[in-house]
Order: sequence, then C-alpha cells, then structure tokens
Amino acid sequence: DAGVTQSPTHLIKTRGQQVTLRCSPKSGHDTVSWYQQALGQEPQFIFQYYEEEERQRGNFPDRFSGHQFPNYSSELNVNALLLGDSALYLCASSLNSRARNSNQPQHFGDGTRLSIL
Amino acid sequence: AQSVTQLDSHVSVSEGTPVLLRCNYSSSYSPSLFWYVQHPNKGLQLLLKYTSAATLVKGINGFEAEFKKSETSFHLTKPSAHMSDAAEYFCVVSPRATGFQKLVFGTGTRLLVSP
Repeated sequence: DAGVTQSPTHLIKTRGQQVTLRCSPKSGHDTVSWYQQALGQEPQFIFQYYEEEERQRGNFPDRFSGHQFPNYSSELNVNALLLGDSALYLCASSLNSRARNSNQPQHFGDGTRLSIL
Repeated sequence: AQSVTQLDSHVSVSEGTPVLLRCNYSSSYSPSLFWYVQHPNKGLQLLLKYTSAATLVKGINGFEAEFKKSETSFHLTKPSAHMSDAAEYFCVVSPRATGFQKLVFGTGTRLLVSP
C-alpha cells in the first residue's frame, strides 16, 4: 500500500521564477493538505483541498496556490519565488474529518526540498 | 485558537533509559492531539493520536502518551530509549471534528540518544 508520494524530491530555482510541486495521496484518502517547513522550524499550514476545492487556508500570500484533481492528487504552485520560500514542502493526506465526524490523522510524504538562489 | 507548547527544545538520554517529552496544549474546543516524529531529511511519521476515546494512548515503537485535561498536558513517554529514536518530535493539536481542520505544530523537541 503506497503512502503519500511527492515529486520532485529536490528542486533549485532562482528568484522570480515559478514552481509546481506534486503530491499523490495515500490510497483511499480524499483530502490533501500542504505545509511549509523552513530549516530548523516546525511545519506551517498552507492550505487544504477536498473535493477539488480549497477548504481552509493558512497565513500565506496569494503567490501560493493549489489544485486538486479528480483522482485526489494535488499540486502546489508558487509564483514570483523569494529567497524566503526556500523550505521543505510537505504534503499530507487524510480521510475527510467532517464527513466522518471524527478527526482523521494526516499522513505525510517525505517532502520536496525547494532551494531558491 | 489552538496552540501547543513543547517545554524542552532538546532532551538527551542514554540508550536504555526512559524518555519523557513534554507538551502542554491550549484549545477552545475538545482537541485532538497527535505526536509526530521526523528523522533527518524525512517527512513526518504519526506516532500516536488522542481523540477522546481513552486518556492513555499507545503508539508505535513503544511510545505512549497520557492526556490530562486538568493539566492541559499530553506528554510522550517511552520506557527504554533506543538509538534509532534519535529524531525531532512534534506535538500537534487540531480542533476536533470541525471539518476542514489544519494541524498546529509545537516548535519541536530534539531527542538525542547516547550509547
């Protein structure tokens, strides 16, 4: 049973460029969340997707956008990259908690390490 | 708003001795609480979760945690540390059953295990 998979594992970009990161959820999961983890810091919530819609968003600018596809996979897009966007980007999947009236744990991939030069 | 405070940034133990990683939470709702572990250059692995079914929660790799509402604590313990336990540990809170919940992480505790 494949867990959460993310691609690519590493990426190097320059300031001002745009990047797309990809995530395939764990089999059977329908909800995808994205987190940013700066070096030496805890993960910070970016947004969550369910039924192809953004359902909740953290304190991130509009340069950060996403998409969820009918097969539940997801993309994270970041425009106009800044040096401060260098981080490990983590994707997490889960079953939808609202539909099941219980808090479902999120399962994480190994992340994409994004470096901005 | 929900938050967690991890009381120690670093904890050092010897192999074979007990582990205690401390976490206090703040939540307006009855929370769900989790412990995750992160090994270097890896993602986060769920160790255990509390969702009100039982106050003493057993997780993987011999870890367990006890939810104490009166103390607003959710400390992680293990009777005997192993070298492979060396990693970063995050205490995490999430509002319970409110739908599209996000995870709020503590700042992490680095566990160091010496031979």
